[in-house]
Amino acid sequence: DTAVSQTPKYLVTQMGNDKSIKCEQNLGHDTMYWYKQDSKKFLKIMFSYNNKELIINETVPNRFSPKSPDKAHLNLHINSLELGDSAVYFCASSQEGLLNTQYFGPGTRLLVL
Amino acid sequence: AQSVTQLDSHVSVSEGTPVLLRCNYSSSYSPSLFWYVQHPNKGLQLLLKYTSAATLVKGINGFEAEFKKSETSFHLTKPSAHMSDAAEYFCVRGDISYKLIFGSGTRLLVRP
Repeated sequence: DTAVSQTPKYLVTQMGNDKSIKCEQNLGHDTMYWYKQDSKKFLKIMFSYNNKELIINETVPNRFSPKSPDKAHLNLHINSLELGDSAVYFCASSQEGLLNTQYFGPGTRLLVL
Repeated sequence: AQSVTQLDSHVSVSEGTPVLLRCNYSSSYSPSLFWYVQHPNKGLQLLLKYTSAATLVKGINGFEAEFKKSETSFHLTKPSAHMSDAAEYFCVRGDISYKLIFGSGTRLLVRP
């Protein structure tokens, strides 16, 4: 069984479009995250939700809007896509507490043309 | 600023020889530290984590790391490299606000 899953795995789209990436975890965790990995492999957190409440919101353009319908899901909606949004987006989850391991999904490779 | 520095962007070893991937951290408190591995076109997998219980931490696939406070280091080692170890390795520091702070990564190449 997949612990953290993301859909779609690949996403190719035109500039200006709106797209969503979905994330689901079946680990019973209460905290979920979105990370962005750029072309140089650098990973940076974007958002985190704990029990459906936003707890981390890094300096991300407001074109990016996370939504957590329940503890097991954290979706990422991106409006007016730009070339610079091309990256790999990783979802992760953990049980509450800093020392608890974050489990990562397989990533969604977004290419904006 | 609290950060993580991976000293080598690429490390190349021959199969069967030891692996050393270097990581230094800066933190004003005792940090939690992790090593994650990312195989090509895959997600990230936890190799090991340090949570102040023991300074020498053993992980999966024969990897281990030693926390040295005096040197602010958390280097990753393996006695004998295997071809399947070729991947990108990330040293990661836990932040008090739930965030993980990632190093820039080290690409490990294993020569036959």
